[in-house]
Amino acid sequence: DTAVSQTPKYLVTQMGNDKSIKCEQNLGHDTMYWYKQDSKKFLKIMFSYNNKELIINETVPNRFSPKSPDKAHLNLHINSLELGDSAVYFCASSQVERGGRVNEQFFGPGTRLTVL
Amino acid sequence: AQTVTQSQPEMSVQEAETVTLSCTYDTSESDYYLFWYKQPPSRQMILVIRQEAYKQQNATENRFSVNFQKAAKSFSLKISDSQLGDAAMYFCAYREGPNFGNEKLTFGTGTRLTIIP
Repeated sequence: DTAVSQTPKYLVTQMGNDKSIKCEQNLGHDTMYWYKQDSKKFLKIMFSYNNKELIINETVPNRFSPKSPDKAHLNLHINSLELGDSAVYFCASSQVERGGRVNEQFFGPGTRLTVL
Repeated sequence: AQTVTQSQPEMSVQEAETVTLSCTYDTSESDYYLFWYKQPPSRQMILVIRQEAYKQQNATENRFSVNFQKAAKSFSLKISDSQLGDAAMYFCAYREGPNFGNEKLTFGTGTRLTIIP
């Protein structure tokens, strides 16, 4: 009954490879997010999707491509992995009420990506 | 652009004592929301407390309370009766008002809190 789940939890790969991280939420939320936490623990948003539509796209290299097949899933595909991509990637979700109450973002457990 | 600053990389407190974690932010907006998130060693991000900028009353959640000073753009977290389970990284976060598209959370750099038994 996990609210926001991510797979895998750990990912170790070689430079230049392509990898994907999957995220699923069972909270019925309409908005999902990807955040990156670097080695110094700094958290920064990468993307957000609302009902499968890209809403927020921060300055992220084109090698990162999010995909939302439905509003319960938001996957992150990374091409040509680089050493600097090593980080913990968090998925989150929330229910957006337009012009109304601001609801909490629920975070997944994170995926630690290590690029060798 | 909004920025969030946590000037204390590390703090420690004796068990059962009170500790205050500092956070300041910079914004030109009048409507916004502030949050404190806790990240224990398990890595899970957990919401501790939130504050709406339009509310003058400081938020409280059991042993956790905030001191929100809107004019000073300050948002500190007070943990009373500290417990071993409070040991974690604490992140202050900001988001703009409730309009659609403002859902981005801007985080501070975090404060690592150690509880001394």
